Amino acid sequence: KAGVTQTPRYLIKTRGQQVTLSCSPISGHRSVSWYQQTPGQGLQFLFEYFSETQRNKGNFPGRFSGRQFSNSRSEMNVSTLELGDSALYLCASSLDPGPNSPLHFGNGTRLTVT
Amino acid sequence: AQSVTQPDIHITVSEGASLELRCNYSYGATPYLFWYVQSPGQGLQLLLKYFSGDTLVQGIKGFEAEFKRSQSSFNLRKPSVHWSDAAEYFCAVGPMDSSYKLIFGSGTRLLVRP
Repeated sequence: KAGVTQTPRYLIKTRGQQVTLSCSPISGHRSVSWYQQTPGQGLQFLFEYFSETQRNKGNFPGRFSGRQFSNSRSEMNVSTLELGDSALYLCASSLDPGPNSPLHFGNGTRLTVT
Repeated sequence: AQSVTQPDIHITVSEGASLELRCNYSYGATPYLFWYVQSPGQGLQLLLKYFSGDTLVQGIKGFEAEFKRSQSSFNLRKPSVHWSDAAEYFCAVGPMDSSYKLIFGSGTRLLVRP
């Protein structure tokens, strides 16, 4: 069974641009979560989706948004990029929401903002 | 405020030696507790989790962790470290609801001496 797939693996953007990151969960998994990982702030929760609905949102500005499609694939978008948005963005999927279903992480998308 | 503290940024042990990684948490209610491992360029892999019951939990790769409510701690242990255990280890807490809004510690990087 294929794992969580994130595309692209690497991305370079300039300040002010917008970016869309994609996540394909493990087949059959219906819940997708996103995390931002930076050296300074560590791992921080961005969003959690289940059945195309955002269930939770972390403490990030409105420039960060996401969505989930009917096939459980998810995208996150960051508009008006800032240098501080440079990070590894990790997507994770689980069969169902909540900790009873193990969370499986992808290898991440490394975003560099110049 | 909810938080997770991993007081050791780096730990170096010799191969074959025992290992203990510390984790303390501050949380309003009894949380779910997790340990994840991250190898360079990879996502996070779940080592073990604690929900309730026996306070000593066994995980993959020979790891175990002990939940101590009185000390708000969830330390990770391994009796004999292998060179392949070199990685970064993250402790995380999550709410006891159907949510994967995890709060991660800042991580402990494990170096293994041959």
